[in-house]
Amino acid sequence: NAGVTQTPKFQVLKTGQSMTLQCAQDMNHEYMSWYRQDPGMGLRLIHYSVGAGITDQGEVPNGYNVSRSTTEDFPLRLLSAAPSQTSVYFCASENSGGHEQYFGPGTRLTVT
Amino acid sequence: DAKTTQPPSMDCAEGRAANLPCNHSTISGNEYVYWYRQIHSQGPQYIIHGLKNNETNEMASLIITEDRKSSTLILPHATLRDTAVYYCIVRVGGNQGGKLIFGQGTELSVKP
Repeated sequence: NAGVTQTPKFQVLKTGQSMTLQCAQDMNHEYMSWYRQDPGMGLRLIHYSVGAGITDQGEVPNGYNVSRSTTEDFPLRLLSAAPSQTSVYFCASENSGGHEQYFGPGTRLTVT
Repeated sequence: DAKTTQPPSMDCAEGRAANLPCNHSTISGNEYVYWYRQIHSQGPQYIIHGLKNNETNEMASLIITEDRKSSTLILPHATLRDTAVYYCIVRVGGNQGGKLIFGQGTELSVKP
């Protein structure tokens, strides 16, 4: 199993540009989540999904969209990038009824 | 989900036990205590979880007080590779849609 994979590893955007961060898991987990981590801070939940076709907002959803058309994939879209969205983004997955969440390696995004 | 309080930083000598405390005085009866750690800038890694009883696995032990208002994560023989930020998280068990609410965590430095 590859586990949770994220692409790209690094990205630089200009203010106002849009992009999609990709996340995929091959463990057939129902739950998937997106977090962001700013320097010196803990992770904050952006959006999460309990299954294909179902998504919900986390703590800091503004400026981000998600969709879950398949169990495996959970892309995160930045609609119009702002410097405040400069952060490290982590995707995670979890089996329903389980207790362990598996995290990807992260995407480091800089918005200038 | 109940909030947690952890010291911002701790030091530990290599080979000694590292005892990381966590207060969760508003924990509900159906909420579990989870511990994750984040080494350098990697994605967080699950360590252990518990409800009422003390738990042990190959990585660590979790001691939960009888009133469940606090807990301690024990790394029995800390190594330099255990230097990381440790997060104590409280939430209802595995059917929570992949939501984890992170605090600031404890930065553990293991010194030679």
